[in-house]
Amino acid sequence: DAGVIQSPRHEVTEMGQEVTLRCKPISGHNSLFWYRQTMMRGLELLIYFNNNVPIDDSGMPEDRFSAKMPNASFSTLKIQPSEPRDSAVYFCASSDRGPRDTQYFGPGTRLTVL
Amino acid sequence: EDQVTQSPEALRLQEGESSSLNCSYTVSGLRGLFWYRQDPGKGPEFLFTLYSAGEEKEKERLKATLTKKESFLHITAPKPEDSATYLCAVMGGAQKLVFGQGTRLTINP
Repeated sequence: DAGVIQSPRHEVTEMGQEVTLRCKPISGHNSLFWYRQTMMRGLELLIYFNNNVPIDDSGMPEDRFSAKMPNASFSTLKIQPSEPRDSAVYFCASSDRGPRDTQYFGPGTRLTVL
Repeated sequence: EDQVTQSPEALRLQEGESSSLNCSYTVSGLRGLFWYRQDPGKGPEFLFTLYSAGEEKEKERLKATLTKKESFLHITAPKPEDSATYLCAVMGGAQKLVFGQGTRLTINP
């Protein structure tokens, strides 16, 4: 199995620009999670989807962040406009039977906003 | 609010020197305690899930144990390739994984 796939692996952008991060979950998994990791706050859940439907977005920091899952094999996390404080590593994870099942993480996207 | 505290923040051992990492937690209705390993520049890699106090799981040189307030990750005769950050996370009634800050483990040859 290819595992969770994320792109791009690295993104450098300027403040105010739109950023789109992409994720392909493990085939057959029905739950998808977006996390953000920083030195200060560690690994934090932003949003998760079950069967392509957003279930809990309480971790999304503000309206500049949005996430979509148009089908079972693709999700995006968008930041518009981006700010320097958004610089972090963003991980996507997926699980087979919902949030209580083991979550498998992708390699992450390192975002730098100048 | 679910909380996880890991200690120590960093641990340096000699190859073959056994030790334990601690994960203390408070959670409303534990659904599971998870251990992950994270190498630099990579995503967390799943190691174990523990569901109830008294449960133990082993994998190679690692053994995870669980009580009602904490979990330990015991490392027996570690090798340099065991060097990584070890993350502990709990899932409670809110059905969200809440992670600790991790323990950065270094094994010197």
